[in-house]
Amino acid sequence: EDQVTQSPEALRLQEGESSSLNCSYTVSGLRGLFWYRQDPGKGPEFLFTLYSAGEEKEKERLKATLTKKESFLHITAPKPEDSATYLCAVLNAGGYQKVTFGTGTKLQVIP
Amino acid sequence: EPEVTQTPSHQVTQMGQEVILRCVPISNHLYFYWYRQILGQKVEFLVSFYNNEISEKSEIFDDQFSVERPDGSNFTLKIRSTKLEDSAMYFCASSAQTPGQGPGANVLTFGAGSRLTVL
Repeated sequence: EDQVTQSPEALRLQEGESSSLNCSYTVSGLRGLFWYRQDPGKGPEFLFTLYSAGEEKEKERLKATLTKKESFLHITAPKPEDSATYLCAVLNAGGYQKVTFGTGTKLQVIP
Repeated sequence: EPEVTQTPSHQVTQMGQEVILRCVPISNHLYFYWYRQILGQKVEFLVSFYNNEISEKSEIFDDQFSVERPDGSNFTLKIRSTKLEDSAMYFCASSAQTPGQGPGANVLTFGAGSRLTVL
């Protein structure tokens, strides 16, 4: 069964203090790894898809990277508006449409 | 920007009652999904729907659950006889791309959710 483990569960940063979120995954064959952002009381919002080890994607202060066992979401000089829960998810190459999510990292950026 | 719309935003029901949650997916999307998130837990896949039939479902999606696309725009989740453990946020999502093919494949656009409270 596909598994996604995210760490830390919660992270508190000062504005401008860069850090990384970790996503470890176990999947029999990876079709895609996804990062979503979820604000309180809302649905997840898509950020990135990574398909193969070594791939990187960037969007504003966020950069996602992928290895064969992990993905990292690097946050450079975060701002308070980056506060949210960041979700990692995987899609199995053998499966069809079921995306398996991790429990997320709750990020709080303090001004 | 196109969005997925869900109604109601919050529903409170008594155990054993039937509940229907409604969703309007993005108009040119072909794949539709229901996920749920119990408070404090992860987002869990329930079911996917394509070409007017279920394409995949999880073990959570038992005989108490059903989905329907009654017309060209709505997508519904019915829970026949609700249980306390059905209390959760239910998210509808849709995607445009054929799974696994090309940029944007399997990118889910989620609605804001319907919070179901079973008493």
